[in-house]
Amino acid sequence: KQEVTQIPAALSVPEGENLVLNCSFTDSAIYNLQWFRQDPGKGLTSLLLIQSSQREQTSGRLNASLDKSSGRSTLYIAASQPGDSATYLCAAYNTDKLIFGTGTRLQVFP
Amino acid sequence: SAVISQKPSRDICQRGTSLTIQCQVDSQVTMMFWYRQQPGQSLTLIATANQGSEATYESGFVIDKFPISRPNLTFSTLTVSNMSPEDSSIYLCSVGGGGRGYTFGSGTRLTVV
Repeated sequence: KQEVTQIPAALSVPEGENLVLNCSFTDSAIYNLQWFRQDPGKGLTSLLLIQSSQREQTSGRLNASLDKSSGRSTLYIAASQPGDSATYLCAAYNTDKLIFGTGTRLQVFP
Repeated sequence: SAVISQKPSRDICQRGTSLTIQCQVDSQVTMMFWYRQQPGQSLTLIATANQGSEATYESGFVIDKFPISRPNLTFSTLTVSNMSPEDSSIYLCSVGGGGRGYTFGSGTRLTVV
């Protein structure tokens, strides 16, 4: 049974810092891995999708890597801004469903 | 990627009543997914809805409590029945899968009093 864990659970940083959010999964037979952002009380916004054959994806200040052999994905946020404050969720896609991580709650203060 | 319109965005309901949540997709999709996110928790899949057949429910979720309709390839509803305060959560619908990733609706924030 796939289990997805994210560390840290919460992070509070001053703006301008480069950040690393970690995601671990127990079953390496994933089809793809997706990172989402969730603002309080809202739905999910897709940030990056990494196919199982890929090692990383980039979008603006965001970069996500995937290492299936070690069961890890990392989301890098460059030059963080207060607008980046949200909860970040990773989700691994196995066979027929998404399994979500526990989330990292990020606060970037001015 | 598909665009999903979900409503209502939030509601406050009395215990013992039911609430129906709607999701409309701007393109035809085979499967739609319904999730629950309890306060402070991550997302849990409730069921998968296929057009023309009964929804498939995950362990711990039953049709009597969460009936789902899927009348066509662009629309689905989830009803939360006989609500109690423990049903207070965010409910989300989703489409996608395979190499395209998943898209989510904006969520319904339900409070049961």
